[in-house]
Amino acid sequence: DGGITQSPKYLFRKEGQNVTLSCEQNLNHDAMYWYRQDPGQGLRLIYYSQIVNDFQKGDIAEGYSVSREKKESFPLTVTSAQKNPTAFYLCASSRGRREGTDTQYFGPGTRLTVL
Amino acid sequence: AQSVTQPDIHITVSEGASLELRCNYSYGATPYLFWYVQSPGQGLQLLLKYFSGDTLVQGIKGFEAEFKRSQSSFNLRKPSVHWSDAAEYFCAVGATVNMEYGNKLVFGAGTILRVKS
Repeated sequence: DGGITQSPKYLFRKEGQNVTLSCEQNLNHDAMYWYRQDPGQGLRLIYYSQIVNDFQKGDIAEGYSVSREKKESFPLTVTSAQKNPTAFYLCASSRGRREGTDTQYFGPGTRLTVL
Repeated sequence: AQSVTQPDIHITVSEGASLELRCNYSYGATPYLFWYVQSPGQGLQLLLKYFSGDTLVQGIKGFEAEFKRSQSSFNLRKPSVHWSDAAEYFCAVGATVNMEYGNKLVFGAGTILRVKS
């Protein structure tokens, strides 16, 4: 089955710790994205990558970091610099369109709670 | 940059009744438009999308949406709601040309649908 997997489903972090959220896709998609979801605010883009070894900041990148060493993987690190990291994190991927926005497909999400 | 407004935070409908969820967008040209659905604690599932052509778009689960350029709207409809349709619905808009800030998808704040029996 092709799809996007995120792990873990639930993650608890102590203040001051860095944590890494995993996102893997086997759809052979070029582009991958990380979103943060908070109640009543919709989805906000953290980082995106249109191709391996390249990524760009989204609207709320402060306190987060990413890497894109492999086409199928796009891990997100939530650093201690992120002031309010408790949220639901969603990973998405798309084929990568030559012109304009592509259709994005989403993983099941990771809920991060800071204790 | 594009933007999306979903005017209704919550909507409650009776099972079997018709449904319309509103979505208004702002974009300098005809955009790409999407509707996604999210069950509690889950990821987003694509219901339907509009890229070009027929302005009435059919999607999964019996949903449809109509693009109205004159009203900058892309409302989602379903003729008869089932209890399993209770979820949160997101409208999103994308650019049709490459933008310097990236071809990101911009989401509305969502509409929570409750279905009463």
